[in-house]
Amino acid sequence: DAGITQSPRHKVTETGTPVTLRCHQTENHRYMYWYRQDPGHGLRLIHYSYGVKDTDKGEVSDGYSVSRSKTEDFLLTLESATSSQTSVYFCAISGPPGELFFGEGSRLTVL
Amino acid sequence: AQTVTQSQPEMSVQEAETVTLSCTYDTSESDYYLFWYKQPPSRQMILVIRQEAYKQQNATENRFSVNFQKAAKSFSLKISDSQLGDAAMYFCAYRSARAGNNRKLIWGLGTSLAVNP
Repeated sequence: DAGITQSPRHKVTETGTPVTLRCHQTENHRYMYWYRQDPGHGLRLIHYSYGVKDTDKGEVSDGYSVSRSKTEDFLLTLESATSSQTSVYFCAISGPPGELFFGEGSRLTVL
Repeated sequence: AQTVTQSQPEMSVQEAETVTLSCTYDTSESDYYLFWYKQPPSRQMILVIRQEAYKQQNATENRFSVNFQKAAKSFSLKISDSQLGDAAMYFCAYRSARAGNNRKLIWGLGTSLAVNP
């Protein structure tokens, strides 16, 4: 199994508070991704990274920011959480030939 | 832009029977990868099978096989001898092989498979 861990696995927070989700990999892969999964929408890409300090937006990036200061860590931040950001968040890394390996997911509830 | 369509939101199969999940995609590219992922109730996303578009032979992994029809842009998943543990959401995904696309996958919305004992 690919070495990907997400933390926290579960979080309940209130509207307007900042939240940071962490993804840690031990595979030394260059590409990392943050997805959110919601019923009826499948998996939607939030942000991705193609190297240290190299990141780009996905299809649903509004309200989210990311940082990657080390190869192994990719952080997703919600600066001011809203109820619409209640979701399950998945981190993934891309191995050859481009298939994704996923973390176990982080369930975020914004009240 | 590429799209992936899974036309069956829900399916069911009897244990030990065979079921086929459909997936179609739209692309103007000739070189790409296709994937089926499984997401059981545990929520973990698991790669089931991968197909390279340049390979004519259909991929097979134990009880899982695909029917890849490149001209028709169809990529169906066949599960033989279905087991209770096969109950899950199944996602079809596409990835361009073109350099510079940052390896992003295009996802279908999924098919929920129930296995009846």
